Amino acid sequence: EADIYQTPRYLVIGTGKKITLECSQTMGHDKMYWYQQDPGMELHLIHYSYGVNSTEKGDLSSESTVSRIRTEHFPLTLESARPSHTSQYLCASSWDRGTNEKLFFGSGTQLSVL
Amino acid sequence: SQQGEEDPQALSIQEGENATMNCSYKTSINNLQWYRQNSGRGLVHLILIRSNEREKHSGRLRVTLDTSKKSSSLLITASRAADTASYFCATDATGANNLFFGTGTRLTVIP
Repeated sequence: EADIYQTPRYLVIGTGKKITLECSQTMGHDKMYWYQQDPGMELHLIHYSYGVNSTEKGDLSSESTVSRIRTEHFPLTLESARPSHTSQYLCASSWDRGTNEKLFFGSGTQLSVL
Repeated sequence: SQQGEEDPQALSIQEGENATMNCSYKTSINNLQWYRQNSGRGLVHLILIRSNEREKHSGRLRVTLDTSKKSSSLLITASRAADTASYFCATDATGANNLFFGTGTRLTVIP
């Protein structure tokens, strides 16, 4: 079992609200990632981090922001949620060893914006 | 794009049968990985095969890699209803910062 946790599991909010999706891992992994996935569709990388104070944008443009103040914590924030943000958000982590190795995923946060 | 493409998009088989899924990609890779995703959940890593390997086994899973054809296959033998899930390949392209995930194969195993 992966030691990576996402909260909340489900979130239903109104348009314009600010939200933060939490992700924590206890494996001491250097790299952490946020993916966005619509039902039955492929994963899109929206943010990643190599370590503390490192944040990078992924392949898919996103209005969300991330921070990495501690190794184990990689929260994702939406300042003003819109219905187009409705999706599943998956957090993952891995060791950084030069090549891209096995990812450990959390259970995901299903976000619905009304 | 380096993104892998799985084939077929969906597969439905009877319990006990074998299931084969294929993945094609476009550029040179360091490794290729297969993941499984149950509906509404995160992905679980199944197996990693490196570019200098041709075949790898793990339990009922068998993965092959043909770098000359830029393709891989995942075989699940003696399938069970609990194998019902989506299966994704992910490639570690040479020089890439991250893995590229394919579009997935939705496997349904009928009891």
